Parts: sequence; C-alpha cells; structure tokens
Amino acid sequence: DAKTTQPPSMDCAEGRAANLPCNHSTISGNEYVYWYRQIHSQGPQYIIHGLKNNETNEMASLIITEDRKSSTLILPHATLRDTAVYYCIVRVSGNAGNMLTFGGGTRLMVKP
Amino acid sequence: KAGVTQTPRYLIKTRGQQVTLSCSPISGHRSVSWYQQTPGQGLQFLFEYFSETQRNKGNFPGRFSGRQFSNSRSEMNVSTLELGDSALYLCASSLWQGDSPLHFGNGTRLTVT
Repeated sequence: DAKTTQPPSMDCAEGRAANLPCNHSTISGNEYVYWYRQIHSQGPQYIIHGLKNNETNEMASLIITEDRKSSTLILPHATLRDTAVYYCIVRVSGNAGNMLTFGGGTRLMVKP
Repeated sequence: KAGVTQTPRYLIKTRGQQVTLSCSPISGHRSVSWYQQTPGQGLQFLFEYFSETQRNKGNFPGRFSGRQFSNSRSEMNVSTLELGDSALYLCASSLWQGDSPLHFGNGTRLTVT
C-alpha cells in the first residue's frame, strides 16, 4: 500500500473547522483513502473513506484532490471530544486483505 | 449492532508465560485481523483470518499465532512472553469485500513483567 504523510500535530479552536491534510502522492488507481482516529486508550475509530469523489457523513467530510495525490479531512465544528490522533491510510479495494499500514498520524488538539 | 468485543481488557503476565486473547467480531463480519500497538513502533499488522484460514501475516516471530472459529470469533496466542511484547493488542473486523472498512475493538492491554 502507498505511504502517507501527515503533519505530526495540529491545533484547532473549539467550534471551528479542523482541516487535516494528508499526502499520498504514490497512490494507485485502485487504492482508497481511509481516515481513522484514535482517542487515548481506545481502538482506532473509522471516520470516512473515498476513492476519488468527495465524501461526507455525519462525522466529517473528505476532500480528495483531482490528481488523488492528497486529501483533507474536515471536521466542520470541532469539539473537545475530537481531540485525538488522526490516521490517513490508503488501501487497495477488493479481496486483497486488510493489512492496514498506519503511519504516525496527526495529533489534533482542540482547545477551548 | 454491537461492536468488536475484546477480552480481557487488561492482562499482566510474567516473562516466559503464554497468553491467549479473544476477539468477537461485529455480527456478519467474517474477516478478523489483529494489530499490535506500542509507543515505539506504532500500530503494526499481525495477521488476518477469513473463513477460518490465515490470509495474511505480518512480520512477527512464530511466537505469535492465531486462529479463527467457524462463528468468526478469533483468538491470538503469544508464547514465551518477552518484556517487549507489552503492548495494546487490537482486533478489527470487516466484511472482506470491496472497500468495506475495518472496525476496531478497544483492545487488550498486555503488560509483561
């Protein structure tokens, strides 16, 4: 699977939008972009994923650039409970297996 | 729908002992994978099971093993425990099809003394 690059840490004010970038310049055509987050002492929580179109669900929005070399996870109104480590992962679709390669992620700190 | 359940939540063992961790996947999920998380190495893939067969294996020594039962529940075993095996062990389940995401449990925290 392609490697991803994320900033190690970011701050965001409570109530503001948090925009978390991810670079995946070597992504292949059949690889999806997945976002997970991990709150201390819990397992990673699935947030959203996409292939090339922008996606939105109740938790977040995912914006993927047209060349698919980067993406941005948007938490529209960050709360203190969104403080976590956010992981961007690329993964081949289909029955290739579930070997996710986690990088260091971005530690998002939401401040009052 | 209930999430992925891992037991026990915490475990303390002594060097040289063995340990068995259990994972119950989300109902209907037939793929179960295991990950180890340590402060130094981060999250690393251990192995994956589907239909009671190991499909993929990460770069871990043979002391780490697992199995999956016909009801998709899975266990992992670590023999001859070493201090470096202290970690959070995470289980994840998925549908094993298309782009279906993995869903993780909250893990078993193993401490080896």
